[in-house]
Amino acid sequence: EAGVTQFPSHSVIEKGQTVTLRCDPISGHDNLYWYRRVMGKEIKFLLHFVKESKQDESGMPNNRFLAERTGGTYSTLKVQPAELEDSGVYFCASSQDPKQFFGPGTRLTVL
Amino acid sequence: EDQVTQSPEALRLQEGESSSLNCSYTVSGLRGLFWYRQDPGKGPEFLFTLYSAGEEKEKERLKATLTKKESFLHITAPKPEDSATYLCAVQAHSGAGSYQLTFGKGTKLSVIP
Repeated sequence: EAGVTQFPSHSVIEKGQTVTLRCDPISGHDNLYWYRRVMGKEIKFLLHFVKESKQDESGMPNNRFLAERTGGTYSTLKVQPAELEDSGVYFCASSQDPKQFFGPGTRLTVL
Repeated sequence: EDQVTQSPEALRLQEGESSSLNCSYTVSGLRGLFWYRQDPGKGPEFLFTLYSAGEEKEKERLKATLTKKESFLHITAPKPEDSATYLCAVQAHSGAGSYQLTFGKGTKLSVIP
């Protein structure tokens, strides 16, 4: 069974540019989560999809972040415009029961 | 607000030297406590879920235990391949149906041959 995949693995952009991160969950998992780890801090929750609906987006830092989940399958997280403090590792996780399975993450560097 | 504190931040062990990692938590109604292992450049890898005080789970050289305030990850006779960062996370009951994980900062374990 394929695990959670994320693309790209790394992204380096200039401040003010736009970046889109993609997550493909484990097939059949209705729940999809986005998390972020900034340097020196713990992994923090961003938002939760159930199928194509946003169940909880209380962790989204501001309106520069836009998440979508097309047809309840893959999800994208767009940052527009990117700021320096958006740098970090963005993780996606999927689940069908309490335990969540994580992808390898996307390391985003904003210069 | 849910909080997770892990100690120590870093731990160096000789191969075969058993020890324990601590995870203290406060949560408004625990649904589950999770242990993950994370290797450099990779995502967290699921190890255990514990649901109620007194519960224990084992996997190879690892054993996780849970009380009402903390969890321990016991490592028996560790090997160099056990070197990794171990993450603890809690999940609260949610009337809104969102089961986000609240993580600690992790314990970086190094096992020296």
